[in-house]
Amino acid sequence: AQKVTQAQTEISVVEKEDVTLDCVYETRDTTYYLFWYKQPPSGELVFLIRRNSFDEQNEISGRYSWNFQKSTSSFNFTITASQVVDSAVYFCALSELYSGGGADGLTFGKGTHLIIQP
Amino acid sequence: NAGVTQTPKFRVLKTGQSMTLLCAQDMNHEYMYWYRQDPGMGLRLIHYSVGEGTTAKGEVPDGYNVSRLKKQNFLLGLESAAPSQTSVYFCASRTGGSQPQHFGDGTRLSIL
Repeated sequence: AQKVTQAQTEISVVEKEDVTLDCVYETRDTTYYLFWYKQPPSGELVFLIRRNSFDEQNEISGRYSWNFQKSTSSFNFTITASQVVDSAVYFCALSELYSGGGADGLTFGKGTHLIIQP
Repeated sequence: NAGVTQTPKFRVLKTGQSMTLLCAQDMNHEYMYWYRQDPGMGLRLIHYSVGEGTTAKGEVPDGYNVSRLKKQNFLLGLESAAPSQTSVYFCASRTGGSQPQHFGDGTRLSIL
């Protein structure tokens, strides 16, 4: 069965520091998708990125970057020069193409609560 | 620009009462999902639908029923609410091809 582990329950850093959120996943499928979602204090879930299992290129979007390594089954998320507005709960999620029943329901990690102090 | 709309946003029920949560999407998405979010547990899949008239069980389906009579709507029912069903419920939808799911703003449900 698929599993997503976010070992960091809570991280607190001072504004402008860089911070990395870890995500480790387990799957028996060779084709799968990984996602990161942000949940700010207002409660909604905001999609950040999707990565398929065949694309190990790192991605950068502004202050956000993602490091996907199949060899270690990890999909880590780094925020550079963090800001107070980055304070949120961040979820890593996995979708399996075949084992997931064909509907790609997401398996979520338990989330990392990121606190950016001014 | 509605996207995914969940109704109601908040609700308090007594044990044993029934209710239905409504999810409506205006993006013509085929796939729809219901998740629950509990403290320290992340989101867990309750039921999902791959198209109008179809439903299937997710990871934690017990105590819930769903219906997808219209493509744009996905209903989640609690026949006899229990305190263990106190949670925040999220609906999501997506188009095909493993595109990302779009989430509603959630329904906070308390069972006393």
